[in-house]
Amino acid sequence: KAGVTQTPRYLIKTRGQQVTLSCSPISGHRSVSWYQQTPGQGLQFLFEYFSETQRNKGNFPGRFSGRQFSNSRSEMNVSTLELGDSALYLCASSPAQGGLSTEAFFGQGTRLTVV
Amino acid sequence: DQQVKQNSPSLSVQEGRISILNCDYTNSMFDYFLWYKKYPAEGPTFLISISSIKDKNEDGRFTVFLNKSAKHLSLHIVPSQPGDSAVYFCAASLMNRDDKIIFGKGTRLHILP
Repeated sequence: KAGVTQTPRYLIKTRGQQVTLSCSPISGHRSVSWYQQTPGQGLQFLFEYFSETQRNKGNFPGRFSGRQFSNSRSEMNVSTLELGDSALYLCASSPAQGGLSTEAFFGQGTRLTVV
Repeated sequence: DQQVKQNSPSLSVQEGRISILNCDYTNSMFDYFLWYKKYPAEGPTFLISISSIKDKNEDGRFTVFLNKSAKHLSLHIVPSQPGDSAVYFCAASLMNRDDKIIFGKGTRLHILP
């Protein structure tokens, strides 16, 4: 079956702009989690969506938001971009809530560069 | 304050030898630990996990050891193969609580020919 698809793969934005990233989970998976990966901080949890509801949220400012649609696809939005938002954004798909504890599948990520 | 620490940013091991990747954690409430492997331009892939009721879990060439008293876990790869060259992330969590999953910063493993 098809894996987790994230689009776009690469993105360059300027400070102050906003950006929307997309994640299509594995068919049948209802949980989508988002992570930010930077060299300095490693992988950090952003939020998890399950059945269109945000179930858990990490320690990120309100500029980071997301949503999940009825087909389980998820989008992540970052408003008022800052240079420090430059990172690889990964989404993980899982059949159940509490995804990473049950071994989720990651997408290839979206590399965001803020200039 | 880092709750999950991988103190070695990189490690080089001869092909065929044992690779040992280490991870320390500070929160004694963590009860589930995972290792992920990441190749460049790909997302992390799940490798192996262990719950706090065990001290060892084995899957083929990969074995994870957990020392709860020392708050330390390690991943052993035996024998190391060229395809094992990747970044390895250790993660700790409370079971079924994604908001409590904390990752280490990763260790880059180089397998030398």
